[in-house]
Amino acid sequence: KAGVTQTPRYLIKTRGQQVTLSCSPISGHRSVSWYQQTPGQGLQFLFEYFSETQRNKGNFPGRFSGRQFSNSRSEMNVSTLELGDSALYLCASSLDSATRGSPLHFGNGTRLTVT
Amino acid sequence: QQQVKQSPQSLIVQKGGISIINCAYENTAFDYFPWYQQFPGKGPALLIAIRPDVSEKKEGRFTISFNKSAKQFSLHIMDSQPGDSATYFCAAGYGNKLVFGAGTILRVKS
Repeated sequence: KAGVTQTPRYLIKTRGQQVTLSCSPISGHRSVSWYQQTPGQGLQFLFEYFSETQRNKGNFPGRFSGRQFSNSRSEMNVSTLELGDSALYLCASSLDSATRGSPLHFGNGTRLTVT
Repeated sequence: QQQVKQSPQSLIVQKGGISIINCAYENTAFDYFPWYQQFPGKGPALLIAIRPDVSEKKEGRFTISFNKSAKQFSLHIMDSQPGDSATYFCAAGYGNKLVFGAGTILRVKS
């Protein structure tokens, strides 16, 4: 089975621009979660989508948004980029909720650098 | 209350030694406690997980110890190997929410 695929692997953007990141989950997985990883902060939860509906949302500003398509693929968008948005963005998929015994399967992330 | 505090930030262990990473939480609603392992350039991968109805779970060289009354849980890596060098994250979850600790960078010296 193919793993979680995230594209692109690397992105360099300028302050004020917007960016869209893409995630293809493992086949059959209906839940897709997004995390921001920065040194010292660990993994900060952004949001989770399940069957095209946002099921959970973390404490991030409205500039961060996402969506899920009918084939479970997901996109994350960040508008009006700030320097502090520089991070590794990780997508994870699971059959159902990660807390009900469906382990999260992470992709290798998209490294976003904002200059 | 949603935080999971993880310590230490970094750890150096000799090959063959025991690596111990600790986590503490406040929210008693948490009922799922997984550990994830992350190698450079890769996403985290589930290592082992425990629910609060047991005090210990062992899988190979990896053991989770869970203390419900103290609201603490820990990962023990026995006979640590250089290949175990990675970043380890504890997490706690309930419902559909999963909260991660800040991570521990483990280096096993050969």
